[in-house]
Amino acid sequence: DAGVTQSPTHLIKTRGQQVTLRCSPKSGHDTVSWYQQALGQGPQFIFQYYEEEERQRGNFPDRFSGHQFPNYSSELNVNALLLGDSALYLCASSLGGTSTDTQYFGPGTRLTVL
Amino acid sequence: GENVEQHPSTLSVQEGDSAVIKCTYSDSASNYFPWYKQELGKRPQLIIDIRSNVGEKKDQRIAVTLNKTAKHFSLHITETQPEDSAVYFCAASGGSYIPTFGRGTSLIVHP
Repeated sequence: DAGVTQSPTHLIKTRGQQVTLRCSPKSGHDTVSWYQQALGQGPQFIFQYYEEEERQRGNFPDRFSGHQFPNYSSELNVNALLLGDSALYLCASSLGGTSTDTQYFGPGTRLTVL
Repeated sequence: GENVEQHPSTLSVQEGDSAVIKCTYSDSASNYFPWYKQELGKRPQLIIDIRSNVGEKKDQRIAVTLNKTAKHFSLHITETQPEDSAVYFCAASGGSYIPTFGRGTSLIVHP
């Protein structure tokens, strides 16, 4: 039973560039949520995808966008990167499309913006 | 939106002691409260969760209590071991729909 996977593991970009991060949910799950975790902080909710639609969004600018595919995998895109976007990006999968479903996290993608 | 406060930020205990981490939340409509353990460089792992229709839940050395009236919930770890050393996060969701995490507690268990 495969757990949540993310790619790439690490990524280095420069300011102004664009980045795409990928997530495959745990087998049997249909919902993917994305979080940003700055150093020494708790995860901050970016958005959640269910049935290929964005269900809810946290307090993040439009530079952050996403997509969910028919196989439930998901992408997070960040445009016009800023130094402050440097963080660990976590995806979490769940079943049911609500915020009270048990979520399981992937290993994360460490993004460094220079 | 929801606001979750977590205390203490750092907790240092001797092996075998108990550890208690407390969280408060602001949205009375929140009804799901998970706890995650995150070791350095690793993913957050769910260790226990509680829903608002339950006041306490136990799993071996770990327990969580919930007081909906006071809007706070706590993680209790008994007989701590060095491998319990990690950062622990509480979270609340259900009311504003967006899951909100606390800032984390760094637990250090000294052998």
